Amino acid sequence: EAEVAQSPRYKITEKSQAVAFWCDPISGHATLYWYRQILGQGPELLVQFQDESVVDDSQLPKDRFSAERLKGVDSTLKIQPAELGDSAMYLCASSFGQGETQYFGPGTRLLVL
Amino acid sequence: DAKTTQPPSMDCAEGRAANLPCNHSTISGNEYVYWYRQIHSQGPQYIIHGLKNNETNEMASLIITEDRKSSTLILPHATLRDTAVYYCIVRVTGNQFYFGTGTSLTVIP
Repeated sequence: EAEVAQSPRYKITEKSQAVAFWCDPISGHATLYWYRQILGQGPELLVQFQDESVVDDSQLPKDRFSAERLKGVDSTLKIQPAELGDSAMYLCASSFGQGETQYFGPGTRLLVL
Repeated sequence: DAKTTQPPSMDCAEGRAANLPCNHSTISGNEYVYWYRQIHSQGPQYIIHGLKNNETNEMASLIITEDRKSSTLILPHATLRDTAVYYCIVRVTGNQFYFGTGTSLTVIP
């Protein structure tokens, strides 16, 4: 069964450093999502791509976060500089199209010291 | 999108059916009910979704009341591996998923 791949699975960094997360969606899925999940809460959408275009980034803290999906396949989420409050699980999901069922990857757990 | 209300936690004996309730009293006619679960430190896993009719797949059954104001996810024979946080989400097609805090289900041996 096809799965969403994410790397790294765990990342420890110091505040003010830059971090990057990678996501490879299920083959053929045009829509890709990045979520952030703080411990004890449900995931919250950061950004949504349709192919290579951003559909919704209204919840993305654009002063320090950036996301790209240059060829409409895999995607990178970057934080620069990282802050203590960025410690969370970062989840990637994909769906065949907008509004279709989303399938999640295993996530990247970030700890900022 | 309609909000959902779920109990924060539930227990279920291994081998018994787990019935997880969800209230969505403000649901509108074109909103689907989705269920996901999240096992500790993993990404959410899709379980099932429905609009009006009851649905069943290899993982679970979804029972939606006739007025659509509530639903129940049924795991017919709970195992220890079903211990997880279960999220009930209502969503208009094309709109975003809004996860709440879900129900933490503990399956007891």
